Amino acid sequence: QSALTQPASVSGSPGQSITISCTGTSSDIGYYNLVSWYQQHPGNAPQLLLYEVSQRPSGVSNRFSGSKSGNTASLTISGLQAEDEADYYCASYICDTCPVVFGGGTKLTVL
Amino acid sequence: EVQVVESGGGLVQPGGSLMLSCSASGFTFSRCAMHWVRQAPGKGLQFVASINDNGDRIYYTESVKGRFTISRDISKNTLYLQMSSLRVEDTAMYYCVKDLCGTYAFDKWGQGTMVTVSS
Repeated sequence: QSALTQPASVSGSPGQSITISCTGTSSDIGYYNLVSWYQQHPGNAPQLLLYEVSQRPSGVSNRFSGSKSGNTASLTISGLQAEDEADYYCASYICDTCPVVFGGGTKLTVL
Repeated sequence: EVQVVESGGGLVQPGGSLMLSCSASGFTFSRCAMHWVRQAPGKGLQFVASINDNGDRIYYTESVKGRFTISRDISKNTLYLQMSSLRVEDTAMYYCVKDLCGTYAFDKWGQGTMVTVSS
């Protein structure tokens, strides 16, 4: 199973908006609306930000939003804050016998 | 409060075995799939294994097939990962993860247990 493709790093200034892309294929992201996003601060376990492309679990800020177009999913963070500096991972259901594949991760730097 | 707590990690020689456990609380353990996800030092996340709510659908990433076995004991609210024929490349933090029932999203992660395979 090939990993999903994310940019290695993105950066933005406080208050700005940034978007992280996650590119798969027509067999995973392009076929299923089962994309999720995770935030991981150094030394901590990942936390779920979004599921089913754009659904936010309770407690997650509405500054985080998700979308999908074709084989690419996107995570947008608006009103960037210093605390958003972290690693971000996307994941997608890919098939019935190999249920989840992750992206390689994107390091977000808040300038 | 939903909690998953891993244990059982440690240092093991190549070719050795280790059993990881994950104690779950705060939710109906029998209702949702559970997973193991690992992260090698300085690397990204990798799905390892998954077991559905009643234990009749199990999946493994290709690199651990035939070496790792995932199981769950509903009576003990515990998830297991039996690891054998361990390789240096299995060195990682292993996370026990709860599924957001039916969404293939991971909504609760444990703090992780470190497995180091080295001679």
